[in-house]
Amino acid sequence: QQPVQSPQAVILREGEDAVINCSSSKALYSVHWYRQKHGEAPVFLMILLKGGEQKGHEKISASFNEKKQQSSLYLTASQLSYSGTYFCGTEKGPLYNFNKFYFGSGTKLNVKP
Amino acid sequence: GAVVSQHPSWVICKSGTSVKIECRSLDFQATTMFWYRQFPKQSLMLMATSNEGSKATYEQGVEKDKFLINHASLTLSTLTVTSAHPEDSSFYICSALGLAGGSSYNEQFFGPGTRLTVL
Repeated sequence: QQPVQSPQAVILREGEDAVINCSSSKALYSVHWYRQKHGEAPVFLMILLKGGEQKGHEKISASFNEKKQQSSLYLTASQLSYSGTYFCGTEKGPLYNFNKFYFGSGTKLNVKP
Repeated sequence: GAVVSQHPSWVICKSGTSVKIECRSLDFQATTMFWYRQFPKQSLMLMATSNEGSKATYEQGVEKDKFLINHASLTLSTLTVTSAHPEDSSFYICSALGLAGGSSYNEQFFGPGTRLTVL
């Protein structure tokens, strides 16, 4: 039930780009992306609800494929503050009946000066 | 924005004792709260879903009698780790379900987490 993320870890230089993938064997109702700093709670980045949807905020964007089984998070011109572990989260049911939520395995991103 | 607090932030206890962790939604009501456990360098694993006024729903492999959940009000859920042992040492995070600002969908708002160390 847990979605699969890849890669497990990424090391970047400041200003470089990265892509993190999240996939499921079954169609999902939604995909949520979070970033977690060490010892802190996850921070919500964005949610994708529709197949084919793409959205972004500043230099972080995400897509959700048409079949709603795969999502990618794009980090453009990475900054030091982007370092952390990125998780995708998926729901198995409709949003109005939110009762199950599973996090992916996580991708550790380390941005170096 | 929606704020969720957890108390305590960290706790160290002796093996065999019980520890209670509180999760509060400060500026909104949450009929549903979730409890997660996270071991070092691992993902968050859903332990249970807590619904106000009813029994919690536990994930497979999570012992109900060991991890007692009480959702007594629309703003408070508690997790009690009974007879804690060193293997229960972990980072426990709660989240509360609420409407995201300006949106029609529910979103999880996470507490800051509680680090439990059992000696």
